Amino acid sequence: NAGVTQTPKFQVLKTGQSMTLQCAQDMNHEYMSWYRQDPGMGLRLIHYSVGAGITDQGEVPNGYNVSRSTTEDFPLRLLSAAPSQTSVYFCASSYGNIGAETQYFGPGTRLLVL
Amino acid sequence: AQKVTQAQTEISVVEKEDVTLDCVYETRDTTYYLFWYKQPPSGELVFLIRRNSFDEQNEISGRYSWNFQKSTSSFNFTITASQVVDSAVYFCALSEDRDNFNKFYFGSGTKLNVKP
Repeated sequence: NAGVTQTPKFQVLKTGQSMTLQCAQDMNHEYMSWYRQDPGMGLRLIHYSVGAGITDQGEVPNGYNVSRSTTEDFPLRLLSAAPSQTSVYFCASSYGNIGAETQYFGPGTRLLVL
Repeated sequence: AQKVTQAQTEISVVEKEDVTLDCVYETRDTTYYLFWYKQPPSGELVFLIRRNSFDEQNEISGRYSWNFQKSTSSFNFTITASQVVDSAVYFCALSEDRDNFNKFYFGSGTKLNVKP
């Protein structure tokens, strides 16, 4: 199993550009989430999904869109990048609801918005 | 209000010293889960432990041990005989039980520097 994979590892964008951060897992996990990590802070939840076709907002959803057409994939779209979105983004998945099951994280995508 | 507080921003120890990382959480729920993750300099998040609120038994795994005390809302992590490879940022996290999705709340992390 590859676990949770994320691409790209690093990306530089100009303000106003759009892009999609890819996340995939091969563990047949129903629950998937996107987090951002900013310096000196823990991770904050952006969006999450409890199964294919079901998504919802987390703590900091503004400026991001998600969709979940398959169990394996959970892409995160930045609609119009802003410098405030410079961060490290982590995708995570769990077999069931977090806590009852362990949440596993991908290696992260480092995003710089100029 | 911060649900998970890790008051120690950074700790430096010399190899072979014992070190305890503090974690204090806040919740009104009776059912919740606590976690510790390690983030080494390479950046990935490594799962260390998960505990539920009904299991206050302390746990030991090699040089790692965890002390869960509901009375003080604390879930502290001790590394015995620290090694340079233990240098990392350690995050404590809380997950509250909900029907649909148990949201995850991370502390701000404690950076541990282990010097040779």
